[in-house]
Amino acid sequence: GDSVTQMEGPVTLSEEAFLTINCTYTATGYPSLFWYVQYPGEGLQLLLKATKADDKGSNKGFEATYRKETTSFHLEKGSVQVSDSAVYFCALGEDDKIIFGKGTRLHILP
Amino acid sequence: EPEVTQTPSHQVTQMGQEVILRCVPISNHLYFYWYRQILGQKVEFLVSFYNNEISEKSEIFDDQFSVERPDGSNFTLKIRSTKLEDSAMYFCASSERDSFFTGELFFGEGSRLTVL
Repeated sequence: GDSVTQMEGPVTLSEEAFLTINCTYTATGYPSLFWYVQYPGEGLQLLLKATKADDKGSNKGFEATYRKETTSFHLEKGSVQVSDSAVYFCALGEDDKIIFGKGTRLHILP
Repeated sequence: EPEVTQTPSHQVTQMGQEVILRCVPISNHLYFYWYRQILGQKVEFLVSFYNNEISEKSEIFDDQFSVERPDGSNFTLKIRSTKLEDSAMYFCASSERDSFFTGELFFGEGSRLTVL
């Protein structure tokens, strides 16, 4: 079945560093792709999405591009802040459910 | 801002006991979901619920599991006879439209279940 694989964490960076969290997917069709974020003590919330190949999703300085040729949807941010510390989940949409990866914990040091 | 609330935040139970996890979805949402995450593993889909019936369920969601929307506001997940491997964080989510189209599920903070 369809699945999502994302890089293992935790990822620890200094403030203002460049961030990449890798995500690849396997799917039989043409799914929508998402990044969700979970801040401490809160539920998962949608960060950004892309619905077709070459679409770029962006929000709060984060970006991810739907790459069909490499089946990837890597999350990037040019300059991270301490407030970006959270768990990030890559996900794809299939039928009427969303399939998530394991999540990647991100620590940003001041 | 409207939010999904879940209770309890943490429940410890003995193997074989029944557990009910409760969720209050956002009031105008029509689609409801339960997911779970075993420590260190993926967030796994359990079940989706629409129009007072299950619309899809995973192979995890066997006869030990059931869902109910008893009073138009609560959405519950019942595990009839808990097993050790049911220990996980259980997330409730809701959406206004079919999540396939929008991708936007609104999640609660989760209920941690520990089975001893």
